[in-house]
Amino acid sequence: GAVVSQHPSRVICKSGTSVKIECRSLDFQATTMFWYRQFPKQSLMLMATSNEGSKATYEQGVEKDKFLINHASLTLSTLTVTSAHPEDSSFYICSAPSGREQETQYFGPGTRLLVL
Amino acid sequence: GQNIDQPTEMTATEGAIVQINCTYQTSGFNGLFWYQQHAGEAPTFLSYNVLDGLEEKGRFSSFLSRSKGYSYLLLKELQMKDSASYLCAIMDSNYQLIWGAGTKLIIKP
Repeated sequence: GAVVSQHPSRVICKSGTSVKIECRSLDFQATTMFWYRQFPKQSLMLMATSNEGSKATYEQGVEKDKFLINHASLTLSTLTVTSAHPEDSSFYICSAPSGREQETQYFGPGTRLLVL
Repeated sequence: GQNIDQPTEMTATEGAIVQINCTYQTSGFNGLFWYQQHAGEAPTFLSYNVLDGLEEKGRFSSFLSRSKGYSYLLLKELQMKDSASYLCAIMDSNYQLIWGAGTKLIIKP
């Protein structure tokens, strides 16, 4: 089946630095990818929709200048957390729809970010 | 290798009960999640099990047996709005999420 990968799987950084997280669809093309943030033992919160060749669409309350999204190709979307702070520490997950009618979502394994 | 299995699709009748099974083989275990996802929306958290047994939340219950690598989600008094995909996900020893393919649940009147 379709696979979505994320890199890195975990990252520790200092406050004020920027961190880039990659999301790749390994055996299918994705014109759209979704970025989520997961709080402990809770729902995935949709942050933004990444669109290949155009600007990302951000959910209300998500700062687009802080969470930069680039959908450079049909198999790669990147999320850059700029000037990271401890409150940005979380689990970031991407997903990509597939299928003729985009009816199936494939999720990445997640990236654990810890900002010191 | 790591593997999570759940049925691709299930059909049930409004007002009835349905059980969605999830079996897994993973490198380590730090909990099992069940999510509900309606088409075009982000998944909604339903349950988190890390210890064996049954956890009940209203119409939804989730069961876990770690020794058997098995969980189920039980939905009672089915409503039409319960038509959705149900995703089983395991957090492994590296705290990475391994996702099942999801079970599409169709509710008929």
